[in-house]
Amino acid sequence: EDQVTQSPEALRLQEGESSSLNCSYTVSGLRGLFWYRQDPGKGPEFLFTLYSAGEEKEKERLKATLTKKESFLHITAPKPEDSATYLCAVQAGGSARQLTFGSGTQLTVLP
Amino acid sequence: DGGITQSPKYLFRKEGQNVTLSCEQNLNHDAMYWYRQDPGQGLRLIYYSQIVNDFQKGDIAEGYSVSREKKESFPLTVTSAQKNPTAFYLCASSIRVSYNEQFFGPGTRLTVL
Repeated sequence: EDQVTQSPEALRLQEGESSSLNCSYTVSGLRGLFWYRQDPGKGPEFLFTLYSAGEEKEKERLKATLTKKESFLHITAPKPEDSATYLCAVQAGGSARQLTFGSGTQLTVLP
Repeated sequence: DGGITQSPKYLFRKEGQNVTLSCEQNLNHDAMYWYRQDPGQGLRLIYYSQIVNDFQKGDIAEGYSVSREKKESFPLTVTSAQKNPTAFYLCASSIRVSYNEQFFGPGTRLTVL
């Protein structure tokens, strides 16, 4: 059974204080790993897809990396507008239709 | 302006009533999905559809029903058989089922009174 565990559950940072969110996964043949951002009361917003270990992708202050067992979402010099819940999901090779989601990390960036 | 719309944003239901949640997309995507989100939990798949007139059960399909009569539309009915329907419902679409990225609508919050 595919499993995704995100840590920490919640993270409070001061503006400008860089940190990382973790997504550990267990899947039978990774097809893709996805990061989404979700604001309260809204639908998730797609951020990144990573396909293979060693791959990295960047968008503004966010950088996602992937190993064979986990992915990190690095946030460099965060701003209050980066406050949101960040969701990680995996898609296994044998289940083309289904994403398995973690429960998310709720990030709060204080001014 | 392409995207996914869901309506209504908020929905209140009395016990024993069926309610239907709307999902429309103008992205020309073949695949559409319905997820349920509960506080502190990940998204769970209810139903998905690869093409018009075809749909498959997800992990938690009991108490729900769907239809896919048009490519753009994938409504979800929450029936009285769903024992705990209060949740945040999210519709998503992707170019096709085998294509990875799914894009989400704004969600419908259903509350059972």
